[in-house]
Amino acid sequence: AQKITQTQPGMFVQEKEAVTLDCTYDTSDPSYGLFWYKQPSSGEMIFLIYQGSYDQQNATEGRYSLNFQKARKSANLVISASQLGDSAMYFCAMREGTSGNTGKLIFGQGTTLQVKP
Amino acid sequence: EPEVTQTPSHQVTQMGQEVILRCVPISNHLYFYWYRQILGQKVEFLVSFYNNEISEKSEIFDDQFSVERPDGSNFTLKIRSTKLEDSAMYFCASSERGNLAKNIQYFGAGTRLSVL
Repeated sequence: AQKITQTQPGMFVQEKEAVTLDCTYDTSDPSYGLFWYKQPSSGEMIFLIYQGSYDQQNATEGRYSLNFQKARKSANLVISASQLGDSAMYFCAMREGTSGNTGKLIFGQGTTLQVKP
Repeated sequence: EPEVTQTPSHQVTQMGQEVILRCVPISNHLYFYWYRQILGQKVEFLVSFYNNEISEKSEIFDDQFSVERPDGSNFTLKIRSTKLEDSAMYFCASSERGNLAKNIQYFGAGTRLSVL
């Protein structure tokens, strides 16, 4: 079974508008972390935002916020005031807390976001 | 700002040849990882490394793969006899800690490996 599901292969958004990228996850571990990474066309993976399973508030980092709905097992990324430079592939990832020292990340399939001028 | 550095950015090799991909993790980080991304697909975990030994490896990480931290700064991934299906982007990542759910891994820019 997929542990991380990103159902939107591609998304378009108009510049300066907000966009939500969906991510659902599946784990039985009570302790886990959820991450979003951005991968521009140049290929590097850039960390954007983190949400812990025990965090009471939704994470925010500048124009990025995470809409964390624990009961629904969703961790959607919201990008406000989209910019042309936001055009990239976005990956949702999870780390389960009981993985001990391994720390491995499990990634979703990614969503390609294109920002239109 | 500290960053993970990977060299080379692109490696072309013939099938059956050995390749070594190099990474310099962030200096105070203790946990190191290799991931790969076949073109157009998701990022897949290969191996994690801590305290000079492998912590976990995936089923992809077979006997053809090995990792090493030969000195205090470098972290390498060796593929002994490359196959066509090894063609992918290989990412090195490091994190300060690994034993907490909050474990932000910082990635390098990747090495694109092309096996001909």
